[in-house]
Amino acid sequence: DGGITQSPKYLFRKEGQNVTLSCEQNLNHDAMYWYRQDPGQGLRLIYYSQIVNDFQKGDIAEGYSVSREKKESFPLTVTSAQKNPTAFYLCASSIVASVSNQPQHFGDGTRLSIL
Amino acid sequence: AQSVTQLGSHVSVSEGALVLLRCNYSSSVPPYLFWYVQYPNQGLQLLLKYTSAATLVKGINGFEAEFKKSETSFHLTKPSAHMSDAAEYFCAVSVRIYNFNKFYFGSGTKLNVKP
Repeated sequence: DGGITQSPKYLFRKEGQNVTLSCEQNLNHDAMYWYRQDPGQGLRLIYYSQIVNDFQKGDIAEGYSVSREKKESFPLTVTSAQKNPTAFYLCASSIVASVSNQPQHFGDGTRLSIL
Repeated sequence: AQSVTQLGSHVSVSEGALVLLRCNYSSSVPPYLFWYVQYPNQGLQLLLKYTSAATLVKGINGFEAEFKKSETSFHLTKPSAHMSDAAEYFCAVSVRIYNFNKFYFGSGTKLNVKP
């Protein structure tokens, strides 16, 4: 079955450490997204990518970085500059980002906590 | 400015009772609207989407939603709640910004189903 795989499911970060969250999709979707979810706040867009080797900042990109070297993969790095990284991180994809009626499909998330 | 408001962060119903989850949106352009469901520690699953073909949209698991332009609403309903419906529900609007369709999510409504 096609889908989005996020790993690991749980991740712990020490102070001053960078960590990378993996997101892989086999849906052949062009567009991929990273969201941060905090209790009671819905989802906030961190970064998005419409095609390989291109990505754009979302609403809360500070302290995060991404790469898109392959169509299937869109890893997110939470850097030490992100002072409040504890959250649930969701990766999503859609066929293309430029078509309005296309839904986004989500992975099962990674929960990041600070040690 | 685009936004989505979900009235009621928590809704509790008895098993077999009507489920009504409210969603109002603000958008300066015709919106595309979606409802997603999230079970604990999982990603979001698409329930249904409105893409202007019909104002009453049927989704999975017996859910449906009605688009009312005059009220800028897209409320989610289910005639008879089941215990397995207990989850968090998110309303989202997709709005075109230049060549990108950005999703705006509501803050979510947690549905509790009492036996």
